[in-house]
Amino acid sequence: DAKTTQPNSMESNEEEPVHLPCNHSTISGTDYIHWYRQLPSQGPEYVIHGLTSNVNNRMASLAIAEDRKSSTLILHRATLRDAAVYYCILRPDWAGNMLTFGGGTRLMVKP
Amino acid sequence: DTGVSQDPRHKITKRGQNVTFRCDPISEHNRLYWYRQTLGQGPEFLTYFQNEAQLEKSRLLSDRFSAERPKGSFSTLEIQRTEQGDSAMYLCAGKTYNEQFFGPGTRLTVL
Repeated sequence: DAKTTQPNSMESNEEEPVHLPCNHSTISGTDYIHWYRQLPSQGPEYVIHGLTSNVNNRMASLAIAEDRKSSTLILHRATLRDAAVYYCILRPDWAGNMLTFGGGTRLMVKP
Repeated sequence: DTGVSQDPRHKITKRGQNVTFRCDPISEHNRLYWYRQTLGQGPEFLTYFQNEAQLEKSRLLSDRFSAERPKGSFSTLEIQRTEQGDSAMYLCAGKTYNEQFFGPGTRLTVL
């Protein structure tokens, strides 16, 4: 399985934008890039996903590099509720769609 | 609220006892996944069902573990002869299209 590399932790100030990076240099053409987050004491929560083009939804934006070897999750205005572990996951289109989680990035938001 | 419920939320048992967990996805979730998460790690895939058929099992799923999804609705995960290494959060997720919707998890502590 293609792997992802994320920083262990990041800090942000409340109401400022946050850019969470993810490297996936061995990504294959059929791998979708998914982002999930896990708030304390909860199950993971879907954030966004994409294949080649940048994507926006009500929670976040996903910027995908042209060569697809990296991506960035953008939270436009961090709130205290966004403090969580963020997982960048490559999901092959054929693999039963199970998710292979790495260590993720722990985002801390300061008031 | 994802609509996926798990019961119990917490279970403390003695080594060697059997335990059973239940997951109730919403009716539209034709696929159901089980994951295990230990402290400080991302969730690890255990097994998944397409309706009532169990289609894939991880090597993590030893012969002490068994999962069922009768009638393609709720699912159960049983662990026989529990060991201290089984202590973890057990998460289930339902899926329709691209997103997996996780339940809150069952935290198992084996003494």
